[in-house]
Amino acid sequence: DVKVTQSSRYLVKRTGEKVFLECVQDMDHENMFWYRQDPGLGLRLIYFSYDVKMKEKGDIPEGYSVSREKKERFSLILESASTNQTSMYLCASSIGTGNEQFFGPGTRLTVL
Amino acid sequence: GNSVTQMEGPVTLSEEAFLTINCTYTATGYPSLFWYVQYPGEGLQLLLKATKADDKGSNKGFEATYRKETTSFHLEKGSVQVSDSAVYFCALIKNTGTASKLTFGTGTRLQVTL
Repeated sequence: DVKVTQSSRYLVKRTGEKVFLECVQDMDHENMFWYRQDPGLGLRLIYFSYDVKMKEKGDIPEGYSVSREKKERFSLILESASTNQTSMYLCASSIGTGNEQFFGPGTRLTVL
Repeated sequence: GNSVTQMEGPVTLSEEAFLTINCTYTATGYPSLFWYVQYPGEGLQLLLKATKADDKGSNKGFEATYRKETTSFHLEKGSVQVSDSAVYFCALIKNTGTASKLTFGTGTRLQVTL
């Protein structure tokens, strides 16, 4: 079975802190994705990566950056956390094009 | 651009009732269509999918048919159980040339009671 793990289930940070969210997948998938999930808005794509060191902006990249130094790991970085970044963050991975994405359990981030 | 529209929730049903969750989409070409389910406290899991017109996806008693003429992919189940209580997301994939991106609907919460 594909497994996508995220470093924390719950995280509380203060405004202005630098925040790292880590995601690891164990199935050698080339594509990895970061979403945020908010009530009434569904899932929105922040960034995705289709290869090591390759990244593309999604629909809402402002205030975020990403890093993919190894194929299995995709990190989401909040350079200076703000309260409007309080949300559920979901990581996903997939193989090839047009195929289903496999999701991690999510990290619920609260920024105070 | 691509978009997915789902019926507003929450949907509250008694056990063994018939379920329909409506989903329509806007996309150019021929996207693949998916239903994902999110149980409380968990990430999303793929429930079923269809990759071309008239395909029927099915899993765990749920079904959805890809209707290109009505641009719809409605989710149905003949007899729901309390364990089906979750949030259901309709989504489509359209290849971008680099990686396929999912476009999600806003989700429909289903609550099944005894």
